[in-house]
Amino acid sequence: GENVEQHPSTLSVQEGDSAVIKCTYSDSASNYFPWYKQELGKGPQLIIDIRSNVGEKKDQRIAVTLNKTAKHFSLHITETQPEDSAVYFCAAPYFGNEKLTFGTGTRLTIIP
Amino acid sequence: DARVTQTPRHKVTEMGQEVTMRCQPILGHNTVFWYRQTMMQGLELLAYFRNRAPLDDSGMPKDRFSAEMPDATLATLKIQPSEPRDSAVYFCASGPGTAVMNTEAFFGQGTRLTVV
Repeated sequence: GENVEQHPSTLSVQEGDSAVIKCTYSDSASNYFPWYKQELGKGPQLIIDIRSNVGEKKDQRIAVTLNKTAKHFSLHITETQPEDSAVYFCAAPYFGNEKLTFGTGTRLTIIP
Repeated sequence: DARVTQTPRHKVTEMGQEVTMRCQPILGHNTVFWYRQTMMQGLELLAYFRNRAPLDDSGMPKDRFSAEMPDATLATLKIQPSEPRDSAVYFCASGPGTAVMNTEAFFGQGTRLTVV
């Protein structure tokens, strides 16, 4: 199956600074890489995803980069705001791209 | 707006009792996942359905857990008998399951289960 590693487990940044979370995966056949944001007491929310035919995707203050050769992908949040504080999960598919394996999560805290 | 609905949101039960958790996937989605979230294990996939047919339930303890989709608008996860180690948050997720987007998953708010 897929093995997804996520770093760091916790991250604190000053409001307005950037945050970067990194993940590696093991299955070279994986071609879809989503990122989820989970706020306290809520389910994970899909915030951005990237497919293997592109190297970068941006949506306002968030971006995801993918390096298929190295098998790693990263989430970048710029101009961080207090509402960005949450746990972020990366994921990668296995079993013929039918299911997702999740990383262990990164607890991001934005310091006002 | 379209969302996955789970009931109940919270459940406290005594060890040995049967627990049933329900999920209404997003209308038109043909893929349904059940995940369990704990501090120790993170998000674990328990079962996975496509067009109401179970495709993989290898993540589920077979002796006490069962998952079904009686119809396209309802998925259920049952635990019988429940044990304290089953205490966790159980999430249902659904996805469009198209050839291009076959792994997008949209999560419900979860059922927090406590077995005492």
